[in-house]
Amino acid sequence: AQSVTQLGSHVSVSEGALVLLRCNYSSSVPPYLFWYVQYPNQGLQLLLKYTSAATLVKGINGFEAEFKKSETSFHLTKPSAHMSDAAEYFCAAGLMGNQFYFGTGTSLTVIP
Amino acid sequence: GAVVSQHPSRVICKSGTSVKIECRSLDFQATTMFWYRQFPKQSLMLMATSNEGSKATYEQGVEKDKFLINHASLTLSTLTVTSAHPEDSSFYICSARDLAGGHTEAFFGQGTRLTVV
Repeated sequence: AQSVTQLGSHVSVSEGALVLLRCNYSSSVPPYLFWYVQYPNQGLQLLLKYTSAATLVKGINGFEAEFKKSETSFHLTKPSAHMSDAAEYFCAAGLMGNQFYFGTGTSLTVIP
Repeated sequence: GAVVSQHPSRVICKSGTSVKIECRSLDFQATTMFWYRQFPKQSLMLMATSNEGSKATYEQGVEKDKFLINHASLTLSTLTVTSAHPEDSSFYICSARDLAGGHTEAFFGQGTRLTVV
């Protein structure tokens, strides 16, 4: 069965500091993996996705994530946090079937 | 990428009335759409899977008669909250995947903030 775990429901970083949001998945078959961002009262916007091509995936707004099969991880990083990065971030996994599995989300706070 | 449009973005209704939320795939056909509910500061909870031309599949604990789903066309699914009560107040989000178009990700509507007074 699929599951997605996000370690840390709240992460605070200083503006300009490294952002690291953790995501681990459990599956006998490496799924497609995604990171979404959600701003208050809005839907989810795709940041980046892993679809079995390059293991290091670059997304929008300077974010990137690395797929590590040995660690079953897909952590999201950004070298330098910006105030506008403050939002809720969700890791998700899906196979070619229709079901999507979401992590519980990580709220990112950027401290000026 | 594909676009999913959800309407309305906000709705306030009186207790006991019904509210309909629409979810449209604007540039692709979605045989399956998903309805989620999100409580403040929490993740998305899958309520049901909407299948075009057939009955929706509801997750355990979701009342079928309370949350009516209709997926009459390949581009439109609707969620009707019947006899709404204050505890139904929440953020509702729909999504769809465009697998035929080669997109592995899910596309989300903008969400609907429902407040029942």
